[in-house]
Amino acid sequence: EVQLVESGGGLVQPGGSLRLSCAASGFTFSTYWMTWVRQAPGRGLEWVANMRGDGGLEYYVDSVKGRFTISRDSENSMYLQMNNLRAEDTAVYYCARDLNIEIGGYFDAFDLWGQGTMVTVSS
Amino acid sequence: AIQMTQSPSSLSASVGDRVTITCRASQGIRNELGWYQQKPGKAPKLLIYGASTLQSGVPSRFSGSGSGTDFTLTISSLQPEDFATYYCIQDYNYPRTFGQGTKLEIK
Repeated sequence: EVQLVESGGGLVQPGGSLRLSCAASGFTFSTYWMTWVRQAPGRGLEWVANMRGDGGLEYYVDSVKGRFTISRDSENSMYLQMNNLRAEDTAVYYCARDLNIEIGGYFDAFDLWGQGTMVTVSS
Repeated sequence: AIQMTQSPSSLSASVGDRVTITCRASQGIRNELGWYQQKPGKAPKLLIYGASTLQSGVPSRFSGSGSGTDFTLTISSLQPEDFATYYCIQDYNYPRTFGQGTKLEIK
């Protein structure tokens, strides 16, 4: 079955760390860009970070640069290492597959999503 | 970062109505824009990429248009399952940025 399953969320104190995982199955993981998107309670979607299929390129939203690190392995998993967490990082974190469709240029298209994992930063 | 502004923020409509949601970028983004639908407690669903290309499996009552700074998502005849929140996102440059969302409610 083609799916993404996130794990690793939980309650952490401000300044703490957490590592999220996204396990992929049913497709050739290494050929896809992968993305993290988060959603604070009652709020809209926020793009967080992405990584190219070979792990050679990665991008971040400014608010997490220097604190979050995206990575992936050869076992069909992607990770988000989150350090120095703040209250404003509290959110559901989704991983998503990006089709990165080529039509002239390249277009993002997040066609497959996980169920999300909740991260709560609170003392 | 490019700011994406959706309007309206919320919208009440009836089954069978034609509905249009607008997304405006703070600078030109060519046609590098996607639309997503999200229902409560669920992950978003891809509707449209490249401003106007319908994702496979998405009903043809959904359509997208626009280029540069102004974009629209149109639902030609609302169905009960279309009541949800809709988001645009630019993929012209990094960081990617979403609009704030448009909540479509039943009148």
